[in-house]
Amino acid sequence: DQQVKQNSPSLSVQEGRISILNCDYTNSMFDYFLWYKKYPAEGPTFLISISSIKDKNEDGRFTVFLNKSAKHLSLHIVPSQPGDSAVYFCAATPMDTGRRALTFGSGTRLQVQP
Amino acid sequence: DAGVIQSPRHEVTEMGQEVTLRCKPISGHNSLFWYRQTMMRGLELLIYFNNNVPIDDSGMPEDRFSAKMPNASFSTLKIQPSEPRDSAVYFCASSLWAGRNTGELFFGEGSRLTVL
Repeated sequence: DQQVKQNSPSLSVQEGRISILNCDYTNSMFDYFLWYKKYPAEGPTFLISISSIKDKNEDGRFTVFLNKSAKHLSLHIVPSQPGDSAVYFCAATPMDTGRRALTFGSGTRLQVQP
Repeated sequence: DAGVIQSPRHEVTEMGQEVTLRCKPISGHNSLFWYRQTMMRGLELLIYFNNNVPIDDSGMPEDRFSAKMPNASFSTLKIQPSEPRDSAVYFCASSLWAGRNTGELFFGEGSRLTVL
């Protein structure tokens, strides 16, 4: 039973447009959420995070939104660039483990068309 | 600065053979994680260590899988005997945990295992 779900395996957008990647979770104990980006033949790298006490966190072109009541978060990339083409993983961690281990979703492959 | 170092990068073996994957975490990090990436399930946590002690191994799929961390700078993940369904990319990650984390993990480049 997956506690973090990314229901869209892939997404294709035009360069310059907005990319929206979605993530749902089921564990109410999750209190910190992260997005990782992964290029082929490389390990995932940290992109942006958000604590459950916030509903939005922004870093340049990347913004993460958290809706706790819906147990849903999303990553917005504006404007999208071809270099953003990668697999994006949503991850979450619960406070009761001291946030030691991350539970990941299955990933969404983003393709930004020039 | 050296990141997490994994070896081998690629391993092709035959069913029934023993496979050993190796990981050197970032110096100073006290938590180490082994994840497995498959198309169907994405990144699954297999086991993690804190200060060289296994904390949670509930993700280890079967007794064929074992992991050790003999010291702060080295860990192994062993599969014996290997099976074709073990084919995946295995990632090692490390972090500095001090009672409460930001949760960020630093990943190695992965070991791609193919079991024929």
